[in-house]
Amino acid sequence: EAEVAQSPRYKITEKSQAVAFWCDPISGHATLYWYRQILGQGPELLVQFQDESVVDDSQLPKDRFSAERLKGVDSTLKIQPAELGDSAMYLCASSFSAGQPYGYTFGSGTRLTVV
Amino acid sequence: GQQLNQSPQSMFIQEGEDVSMNCTSSSIFNTWLWYKQDPGEGPVLLIALYKAGELTSNGRLTAQFGITRKDSFLNISASIPSDVGIYFCAALNYGGSQGNLIFGKGTKLSVKP
Repeated sequence: EAEVAQSPRYKITEKSQAVAFWCDPISGHATLYWYRQILGQGPELLVQFQDESVVDDSQLPKDRFSAERLKGVDSTLKIQPAELGDSAMYLCASSFSAGQPYGYTFGSGTRLTVV
Repeated sequence: GQQLNQSPQSMFIQEGEDVSMNCTSSSIFNTWLWYKQDPGEGPVLLIALYKAGELTSNGRLTAQFGITRKDSFLNISASIPSDVGIYFCAALNYGGSQGNLIFGKGTKLSVKP
């Protein structure tokens, strides 16, 4: 069964340091999403890509967060500098196309702890 | 912004009991989804609903898309210990350029053997 791959699974970093997460969507999925999930809450969208273009980054804290999907395949989410409040699960998801619920699949996430 | 109100927040039940949880919104959606999330893992899709009034089953799970398009419920029959986890409702308006799911805050299910 096709999966969304994410790495690392866990990351501990000191505040003010830079941290990066990687996601490889299901092959053929044009749309890629990054979500953040704070403990005890549902996931919330940070950024959505259609191929290599950003479709929605309205909830991305752009002063410290950046995301790219240079070749329209895999993607990297970066935080610099990390703050204590960034501790959360970062989830990547992909789907065939924007707004298309079929095949909308999540990865296992990266658990970030900022100390 | 758009919000989903999911209830109950948590449930502690005996093995074999039936479970019911629901999700409501003030906004209209054309797709409702139910996910289960185990600790340290991403959400896994259980049931997807695409049509108002639709009732869909997946094994012991049954979900319905409310006719107002503002709510959905999930039932689990004859619960077993492996049903333990957090269940999330999510909603989406597909067909546009925006594809982000709106999630509820989850229902934490605990099952006592």
